[in-house]
Amino acid sequence: EAAVTQSPRNKVTVTGGNVTLSCRQTNSHNYMYWYRQDTGHGLRLIHYSYGAGNLQIGDVPDGYKATRTTQEDFFLLLELASPSQTSLYFCASSDMGGLEQYFGPGTRLTVL
Amino acid sequence: GDSVTQTEGLVTLTEGLPVMLNCTYQSTYSPFLFWYVQHLNEAPKLLLKSFTDNKRPEHQGFHATLHKSSSSFHLQKSSAQLSDSALYYCALSDHQGGRALIFGTGTTVSVSP
Repeated sequence: EAAVTQSPRNKVTVTGGNVTLSCRQTNSHNYMYWYRQDTGHGLRLIHYSYGAGNLQIGDVPDGYKATRTTQEDFFLLLELASPSQTSLYFCASSDMGGLEQYFGPGTRLTVL
Repeated sequence: GDSVTQTEGLVTLTEGLPVMLNCTYQSTYSPFLFWYVQHLNEAPKLLLKSFTDNKRPEHQGFHATLHKSSSSFHLQKSSAQLSDSALYYCALSDHQGGRALIFGTGTTVSVSP
């Protein structure tokens, strides 16, 4: 089974703060994804990537940047955090796009 | 564009009763459909997925049938267990362009004794 890890698991910051969420997968998957999960909205795709150096825009990208530095590592950056970005963030990976995804444990972000 | 609709936000039922969660979709192509389950404080994980050989996927007592005529992939179980209490997502993939899965808004199932 795919192994996806995320750090930190919990993060509290203030409005305007700078936050980086990290994700690593160790199963040589090509695709990696960032989602946010909010009650009533389900899982919403922020950004995704199909390889190192590649970035694709998802459905709710405003206020977020992402970077895929290696096949294993995918980062989500919030450069000016706002309270509306308080959420549970999941990273996921898959061998091919559109196939089953393996999720990390999530990062709970609170922006005060 | 492609979309997935889950009409029930919350389903409450008593242990031992049957469960059915609705999922309908819109897609330009002939998609794969998935059900993911997320227990409290855990990550979503795959429960089952549609196949192209018309076999009905089953896992942990759950099953779902892809009906292309009605664009549906409802999730069913004949007898709910307390451990089935969780958040369930329906998702689709259209195999095109290598993009991510498209998820519905999810249905929370609460099973009581």
